[in-house]
Amino acid sequence: QVTLVESGGGLVPPGRSLRLTCATSGFTFMTYAMHWARQAPGKGLEWVAVLSSDGRETFYADSVKGRFTISRDTSKNALYLQMDSLRPDDTALYHCVRGGSPFSSSPGDNWGQGTLVSVSS
Amino acid sequence: DIQMTQSPSSLSASVGDRVTITCRASQVIGDYLAWYQQKPGKVPKLLIYVASTLQSGVPSRFRGTRSGTDFTLTITNLQPEDVGTYYCQKYNSAPLTFGGGTTVEIK
Repeated sequence: QVTLVESGGGLVPPGRSLRLTCATSGFTFMTYAMHWARQAPGKGLEWVAVLSSDGRETFYADSVKGRFTISRDTSKNALYLQMDSLRPDDTALYHCVRGGSPFSSSPGDNWGQGTLVSVSS
Repeated sequence: DIQMTQSPSSLSASVGDRVTITCRASQVIGDYLAWYQQKPGKVPKLLIYVASTLQSGVPSRFRGTRSGTDFTLTITNLQPEDVGTYYCQKYNSAPLTFGGGTTVEIK
């Protein structure tokens, strides 16, 4: 079965960096687009970024553009989110999400449990 | 960017009722609309994609429809296990914006 396991969250002061990792298994990683989405405590869902299956397309939410970078290591079936210049409003549970197709324009058909990022001084 | 306006923000209904949730896109997005269910304390689950196609394993009491830029999720014969928050998401192009969510409770 499809498994997505996030790690790398934690408490960091504003302006610092974190790198999230999503370990995947149970599917052919290179044939699906992959997303990151987040949910602030008690709030709704926010899409963050997507990487197409061929690795050529990346797109970001305006709120993270220029600060976050999505990438992958196909040899490890792993997805990453490099988060720089973190702000308090980045505080959220970050989910790794498998897209329903190879394309960046795809809904998320499998979600990880998430890793919590807290940005506070 | 295209905005997704979801309504109502919450609703309360009885077991067996028919429930309707609406999502309106600010521009044309074709059928590139998905619906998710998030039960309390759980991760979101994809219910419907391309506006009206049920994801595998989703009960047939869930139905999605489209009329122009208006999308509707209908739950017929509401069950206790349907309690949770429902989100729409457009995915025709980035940003893949979610609606604000609709919380469904049982009376």
